[in-house]
Amino acid sequence: NAGVTQTPKFRILKIGQSMTLQCAQDMNHNYMYWYRQDPGMGLKLIYYSVGAGITDKGEVPNGYNVSRSTTEDFPLRLELAAPSQTSVYFCASSYLGLSNQPQHFGDGTRLSIL
Amino acid sequence: DQQVKQNSPSLSVQEGRISILNCDYTNSMFDYFLWYKKYPAEGPTFLISISSIKDKNEDGRFTVFLNKSAKHLSLHIVPSQPGDSAVYFCAASASGNNNDMRFGAGTRLTVKP
Repeated sequence: NAGVTQTPKFRILKIGQSMTLQCAQDMNHNYMYWYRQDPGMGLKLIYYSVGAGITDKGEVPNGYNVSRSTTEDFPLRLELAAPSQTSVYFCASSYLGLSNQPQHFGDGTRLSIL
Repeated sequence: DQQVKQNSPSLSVQEGRISILNCDYTNSMFDYFLWYKKYPAEGPTFLISISSIKDKNEDGRFTVFLNKSAKHLSLHIVPSQPGDSAVYFCAASASGNNNDMRFGAGTRLTVKP
C-alpha cells in the first residue's frame, strides 16, 4: 500500500542545472499537487493537476514546469536551478478537490541548490 | 499574504495533560479547515477536519473547535502522549476554489514523559 511515492529523497544541484522530481500515486486519485516548504513557512502550492493532461499554476509556479500524462504520475521539472529553489518539495493527491477532503502526501524531496 | 497563521512556533506539554494548538485565518471565504501532523522526514498526514457549518468535531483524543466570528480554530489533544510530538499544520480552503489550500507555518509540539 504505497500511497504517494516521491523520488529522490535528497538531491544537491549546482546553479543552472536541471532535474525532475518524480511523484507517483497508486490510489487512482484524480487530483495531484506539488508544494514547497521553506523553513518557518507553510506549504505553498506550485502546480496542480485535476486529471491526466490537465495542469494549472498554483501560488508559486515560477521556475517550474509539470506534466501529467497518466493518472499515476505527476513529475515536477526545474529547468535552471536557482538558490531560491532550495526547499523541501511535497507531492500530494486527492480523489476529489480540496474544498471538502484531505490530501495524501509523499515523504518529500529535500533539494539544495549551491 | 499569510492567510492562515499559527503564531506559536512551538509548544511543550507534560504527558497526560491537554495540548491546545491555535490557528487564525483572515479569508472569510474559507469554509473547510484541517489539521495535519508531520513527523521528521515524513510527509504531512491528515489528522482531523471541520466544516464551517460546525463549531466542533471530535475524533478520539483530538477535537477541533471553530470560532467563525473570530476566524480562529484550535486543536485540543487530551490526554497528550509522547507519540503526539510532531509538527502540526493548520490548513484552510474555500468551496468553489477546489485547488487552493492554504497552510499555516506549523507548531512543533513536544510532549514530555
